[in-house]
Amino acid sequence: DVKVTQSSRYLVKRTGEKVFLECVQDMDHENMFWYRQDPGLGLRLIYFSYDVKMKEKGDIPEGYSVSREKKERFSLILESASTNQTSMYLCASSPPPGSVAYNEQFFGPGTRLTVL
Amino acid sequence: QKEVEQNSGPLSVPEGAIASLNCTYSDRGSQSFFWYRQYSGKSPELIMSIYSNGDKEDGRFTAQLNKASQYVSLLIRDSQPSDSATYLCAVRVGETSGSRLTFGEGTQLTVNP
Repeated sequence: DVKVTQSSRYLVKRTGEKVFLECVQDMDHENMFWYRQDPGLGLRLIYFSYDVKMKEKGDIPEGYSVSREKKERFSLILESASTNQTSMYLCASSPPPGSVAYNEQFFGPGTRLTVL
Repeated sequence: QKEVEQNSGPLSVPEGAIASLNCTYSDRGSQSFFWYRQYSGKSPELIMSIYSNGDKEDGRFTAQLNKASQYVSLLIRDSQPSDSATYLCAVRVGETSGSRLTFGEGTQLTVNP
């Protein structure tokens, strides 16, 4: 089974802090994604990566950056956390086009981040 | 106009009834369509995918796609309380490495015993 893990289930940070959210997948997937999920707004894509050291902006990249130094790990960075970044953050991974399971994104358990 | 729109919900149906969930999308180039189920406090999981016009059945679930009308739906027959969840419609444009999913806001379904 594909396993996507996230470093924390719950995180509380203060405004202005630098925050790192880590995501690791164990299925050698090329594609990795970071979403945030908010009531009434659904899942919104922040950044994604389809290869090591590659990154693409999603719909709401402002205030975030990412790092993908190794294939299995995709990090989301909040350079200076703000209260409007309080949200549920979900990481996902998927194999490349042409793979049998390409169409499925496998999600991690999520990190509920609260910025005070 | 939102790229992917779902009926606002919440939707409540009695046990054994058919639940109908609807989704429209704006990009005519969309090629792949998905339904994810998300239980409260859990992550989304893929339950259905559909790529061509018509119906696709998997057990109690049927996905319907009409590309001309830019409409995709999910029918759940013989609804069970365990089907109570939020259902997310997702659409992908293109099949390259850079393509990504766009999700709707989700429709919350409650199946009453």
